[in-house]
Amino acid sequence: EVQLVESGGGLVQPGGSLRLSCVASGFNLRSHAFYWVRQAPGKGLQYVSAISGDGGSINYADSVKGRFTISRDNSKNTVYLQMGSLRTEDMAVYYCARGGVGNYIGAFDIWGQGTMVTVSS
Amino acid sequence: QSVLTQPPSASGPPGQGVTISCSGASSNIGNNYVFWYQHRPGTAPRLLIFRNDQRPSGVPDRFSGSKSGTSASLAISGLRSEDEADYYCAAWDDSLGGRWMFGGGTKLTVL
Repeated sequence: EVQLVESGGGLVQPGGSLRLSCVASGFNLRSHAFYWVRQAPGKGLQYVSAISGDGGSINYADSVKGRFTISRDNSKNTVYLQMGSLRTEDMAVYYCARGGVGNYIGAFDIWGQGTMVTVSS
Repeated sequence: QSVLTQPPSASGPPGQGVTISCSGASSNIGNNYVFWYQHRPGTAPRLLIFRNDQRPSGVPDRFSGSKSGTSASLAISGLRSEDEADYYCAAWDDSLGGRWMFGGGTKLTVL
């Protein structure tokens, strides 16, 4: 079964750090780009970051640039989001999503269930 | 405030149809594909439409997408209770180095 499972969320103080993981199964990870998308309480989906299949191309939303780092370890079937200098406005459910291939390029075609990040003192 | 503008809500009775709009600019919808996602609370978002008007396998043909200029639409016909969800449009935006953009989302209520 093709699936993504996020973990690593939790409670962190403002200014703190957290690392999220997204473990993929059921497909060849290295063929796909991956994305992180978040949803703050009561808000809509917001793009956070993207990484290409070989990790050579990376993109961030302006709101997290310089504070978050996306990476991947294809040998471990895992994509990471290292979050630093966390702010209260970073509090959200963080979703990992797989990028489609072929005709599905550009689509976020498989999503995980999400992991909650709470930023509070 | 989202670069892609959607109405905050839409509704319709079972069996009827509804259309959700998504308005953007030349840097996003005008020059790039539009994607639509369905998100029920507490679940993983689901790809509904890719490349403006294509349906992934498993998505009923009651869902259809279209694009014209800098706007796009998602049409849902024969509304069913399980269609009640939040719907988001998305597109790549070429400005400021490029980034993905999501619309603000439209909450669909099946009356």
